[in-house]
Amino acid sequence: DQQVKQNSPSLSVQEGRISILNCDYTNSMFDYFLWYKKYPAEGPTFLISISSIKDKNEDGRFTVFLNKSAKHLSLHIVPSQPGDSAVYFCAAGGGGADGLTFGKGTHLIIQP
Amino acid sequence: GAGVSQSPSNKVTEKGKDVELRCDPISGHTALYWYRQRLGQGLEFLIYFQGNSAPDKSGLPSDRFSAERTGESVSTLTIQRTQQEDSAVYLCASSLARGIYEQYFGPGTRLTVT
Repeated sequence: DQQVKQNSPSLSVQEGRISILNCDYTNSMFDYFLWYKKYPAEGPTFLISISSIKDKNEDGRFTVFLNKSAKHLSLHIVPSQPGDSAVYFCAAGGGGADGLTFGKGTHLIIQP
Repeated sequence: GAGVSQSPSNKVTEKGKDVELRCDPISGHTALYWYRQRLGQGLEFLIYFQGNSAPDKSGLPSDRFSAERTGESVSTLTIQRTQQEDSAVYLCASSLARGIYEQYFGPGTRLTVT
């Protein structure tokens, strides 16, 4: 049973526009959420995180929003740049486990 | 500073052979994690070390999988009698301490069992 779900396998966005990546979770014990970015043949790179006591965290072009009642989080990238093309993983911490629980990823493609 | 390193980067082995994968975490990071990523899937947690003890082995798929860690440094993941379903990218990550959720990943070892 998947506890972290990314329902869009891929997303195509024009350069300069906003990219919105979505993630849903089922375990209400998760207390920390992270987004990772992954290029082919490389390990995931930590991007941004949010604690469950907050509803928004911003870092430059990246903003993560958390809606606890809906068990939903999203990553906003604005403006989108060609270098943002990668696979983005949503991950959750807590929930009774020491490791992070990952979604299957969304492949973001930024078109010129 | 140096990030997490893993070796080998690629490993091809015959079914039934044993393999050993190595991870060097970021210096000073006491927590170390192993994950597996099968094709088209997310990362799957295998095992967690705090120092050289492994309080959480819940993700190890079978008793053919084992791992150890020397102090707060190098860790090795061993897979005995490899099977084709073991083919995956094995990723190691480290974090400052237990409860610090930001984990930093190595480049992974791509294991192919023929």
